Amino acid sequence: NAGVTQTPKFQVLKTGQSMTLQCAQDMNHEYMSWYRQDPGMGLRLIHYSVGAGITDQGEVPNGYNVSRSTTEDFPLRLLSAAPSQTSVYFCASSSRDRTYFGPGTRLTVT
Amino acid sequence: AQSVTQLGSHVSVSEGALVLLRCNYSSSVPPYLFWYVQYPNQGLQLLLKYTSAATLVKGINGFEAEFKKSETSFHLTKPSAHMSDAAEYFCAVSTGSARQLTFGSGTQLTVLP
Repeated sequence: NAGVTQTPKFQVLKTGQSMTLQCAQDMNHEYMSWYRQDPGMGLRLIHYSVGAGITDQGEVPNGYNVSRSTTEDFPLRLLSAAPSQTSVYFCASSSRDRTYFGPGTRLTVT
Repeated sequence: AQSVTQLGSHVSVSEGALVLLRCNYSSSVPPYLFWYVQYPNQGLQLLLKYTSAATLVKGINGFEAEFKKSETSFHLTKPSAHMSDAAEYFCAVSTGSARQLTFGSGTQLTVLP
């Protein structure tokens, strides 16, 4: 039982490049979400999903895309990276009573 | 809409002293409230949660928090700080379940020898 896994742990991109942050969970949760963490701002919700095929926007969705084809996986896509997207990204998987976070991906955009 | 305010972005205490980290929330419906801890370069670990049962909630590592509806507060306390408590602490609120969390900006706790 691995919980929530994220890859990669670290990534450096140049402005304009695209990439996908991977997230998987093995707890059979319907609800999954992506947050970004920036100094002094806590964690802010980017996108979330309430089940396979259903996604919605959170507080800061611009520049990010998501899809949910299976219960287990919830990838986050950066379409054209910008320096403002330099951040630490956390994937989360939630039951009704508890949210479990992945270890995070530290992304730097130069 | 819901929001969380954590008073004090940095708190320093001496080892053995009381730890008090403040959290005030705003919610239009009865909230679920959480405290998470983040050690350097790690993910978030749940310390404790309030989900409308007992107002005094005990968590891991000797931490506890009290839900006070009249003050819209959920402050985190520990009677005696340990060096290993040094970390960043986040308060979070949600409505109806533990799913869609709104976080405070965090409090960095430093424990002095």
